Amino acid sequence: DTAVSQTPKYLVTQMGNDKSIKCEQNLGHDTMYWYKQDSKKFLKIMFSYNNKELIINETVPNRFSPKSPDKAHLNLHINSLELGDSAVYFCASSHGVGAYEQYFGPGTRLTVT
Amino acid sequence: GESVGLHLPTLSVQEGDNSIINCAYSNSASDYFIWYKQESGKGPQFIIDIRSNMDKRQGQRVTVLLNKTVKHLSLQIAATQPGDSAVYFCAANAGGTSYGKLTFGQGTILTVHP
Repeated sequence: DTAVSQTPKYLVTQMGNDKSIKCEQNLGHDTMYWYKQDSKKFLKIMFSYNNKELIINETVPNRFSPKSPDKAHLNLHINSLELGDSAVYFCASSHGVGAYEQYFGPGTRLTVT
Repeated sequence: GESVGLHLPTLSVQEGDNSIINCAYSNSASDYFIWYKQESGKGPQFIIDIRSNMDKRQGQRVTVLLNKTVKHLSLQIAATQPGDSAVYFCAANAGGTSYGKLTFGQGTILTVHP
């Protein structure tokens, strides 16, 4: 019944570590996104993939590397984690690359200590 | 740069009242607008969207109004219920071949008192 799912829901790690967040959608969508929500609730897009191809790549440190093994999955790998990476990361998906509603996952709260 | 912002960061209403949440956007090329509701600990949930060829769109208890002249949109919630308490975000696309890139506003906290 789950539409967009993310794992893990919570992630606590130390500075300098490398971690991954996984996202899967069962809506049959062909476009997926990663957003970062900071402590002030500001949501900002990071990346977007359409049919496994990167189509949006915002100004994000290259320590962040998305990977899309297929249309239903979009993972986010983060190298050398920093304190400022602490945030809630949301995955979303949509049908098509144009102006369509995006469906969000439940989020992954990343805390870097 | 483009921005999407909200006039009021918090809104407190009584159950049964109508709520209006406002949003301003800066990019005149934006042609798609969307409202999301985010409850505590959850992801944003789609409420309603509107394209620039429309001025008004209605859903169940919600109405979105778009004024392209002043680059303003609003979300009206009729007969607000305690379950409507959440943070509400407006978002706008960048227009053209923006590949679904949405710019989100800062969010408005709606609190509904029983």
